[in-house]
Amino acid sequence: DAGVTQSPTHLIKTRGQQVTLRCSPISGHKSVSWYQQVLGQGPQFIFQYYEKEERGRGNFPDRFSARQFPNYSSELNVNALLLGDSALYLCASSSRSSLYGYTFGSGTRLTVV
Amino acid sequence: GQQVMQIPQYQHVQEGEDFTTYCNSSTTLSNIQWYKQRPGGHPVFLIQLVKSGEVKKQKRLTFQFGEAKKNSSLHITATQTTDVGTYFCAVSSGNTGKLIFGQGTTLQVKP
Repeated sequence: DAGVTQSPTHLIKTRGQQVTLRCSPISGHKSVSWYQQVLGQGPQFIFQYYEKEERGRGNFPDRFSARQFPNYSSELNVNALLLGDSALYLCASSSRSSLYGYTFGSGTRLTVV
Repeated sequence: GQQVMQIPQYQHVQEGEDFTTYCNSSTTLSNIQWYKQRPGGHPVFLIQLVKSGEVKKQKRLTFQFGEAKKNSSLHITATQTTDVGTYFCAVSSGNTGKLIFGQGTTLQVKP
């Protein structure tokens, strides 16, 4: 079975641009969460979607948005990129809730120049 | 908001030595999860603890949840070079799916 897949793996963008990151959860998993991990720190929660509805939002500005599609895949959009948005963006899927542990994808390394 | 403090930040050990990382909270935790992230990799789920005083073992790894459910530890016996990485504790917050991660403990093992 395929794990959580994310695309692209690496991305370089210029300040002010917009970016879309994609995630496909494990087959059968209906919950998708997004995390931002800055070098040397633990992942920070951005969003969780379950059954296509937003269930949780972290302390991130409105420049960050996400959605989940009928096939449970998800997109994370970031507008008006800042240098500080440079990070590893991780997608995680779960079968029901976080109580069962999350399976993370390999992430998208975003560099803003 | 809820926070978990993890210590130490870094640990360098000789291969064969033991290693322990600690996770502490000022509030009672409903559960705690542990993840391992290899250099350049992504977090990999290791285990979840739910019950007060719970102890779980995975080969050379021993996980404990404190009696008061405010702290947890991960102990590795006789470290190997394959144990290298950053170990994170994480707490799930409500039904939002939010995981709050500690700062992580980075383990280096000298062969």
